[in-house]
Amino acid sequence: QSALTQPPSASGSPGQSVTISCTGTSTDVGGYNYVSWYQQHPGKAPKLMIYEVSKRPSGVPDRFSGSKSGNTASLTVSGLQAEDEADYYCSSYAGSNSLGFGGGTKLTVL
Amino acid sequence: QLQLQESGPGLVKPSETLSLTCTVSGGSISSSSYYWGWIRQPPGKGLEWIGNFFYSGSTNYNPSLKSRATISLDTSKNELSLKLSSVTAADTAVYYCASNTLMAEATFDYWGQGTLVTVSS
Repeated sequence: QSALTQPPSASGSPGQSVTISCTGTSTDVGGYNYVSWYQQHPGKAPKLMIYEVSKRPSGVPDRFSGSKSGNTASLTVSGLQAEDEADYYCSSYAGSNSLGFGGGTKLTVL
Repeated sequence: QLQLQESGPGLVKPSETLSLTCTVSGGSISSSSYYWGWIRQPPGKGLEWIGNFFYSGSTNYNPSLKSRATISLDTSKNELSLKLSSVTAADTAVYYCASNTLMAEATFDYWGQGTLVTVSS
């Protein structure tokens, strides 16, 4: 079972870009292209924003993008909007049909 | 459009078994195109994967739960269920059921609204 590391907080002004990192190991993030990102507003269920590192589900704005380098995956939100303020969680396949989540990053739009 | 709705007791006593149901609408729970999972979130904390149920009938669980979790399907009711035995206060959380309809790996694109389960005597 993996524990992925995310910064507890991130922030940016409207219109700016912000990048949130998700660091794992070679047995999870670095070993597979199966990283997902979820957005969660207070009191709501998580919403899938990115899957398989960089794919966007239908309906997710192209302001959200994902990438990966080595054992670290990243979520970039461009053109920040007030409604982007939320908690963001990464997850990664960790082998043996198991899944791990990051601790979450609270994104504040200043 | 798939919809998922969790239900079950909001209060469970320590050492007892937590039992939750996820009712699925808008699609068949026995579809070979989907797989299902449970994820939980302790109050004020992050997400924790509990386990998955695949179309083949196979299941996988978070090793940290030490074999206390069991996920099953009732295709006649289009329901997914979770049982977690020998609960303690540490099992207090919002429990979500979720599904993968994208034919993608290790991701969930549909989530229920979640149900809060408190473990307390």
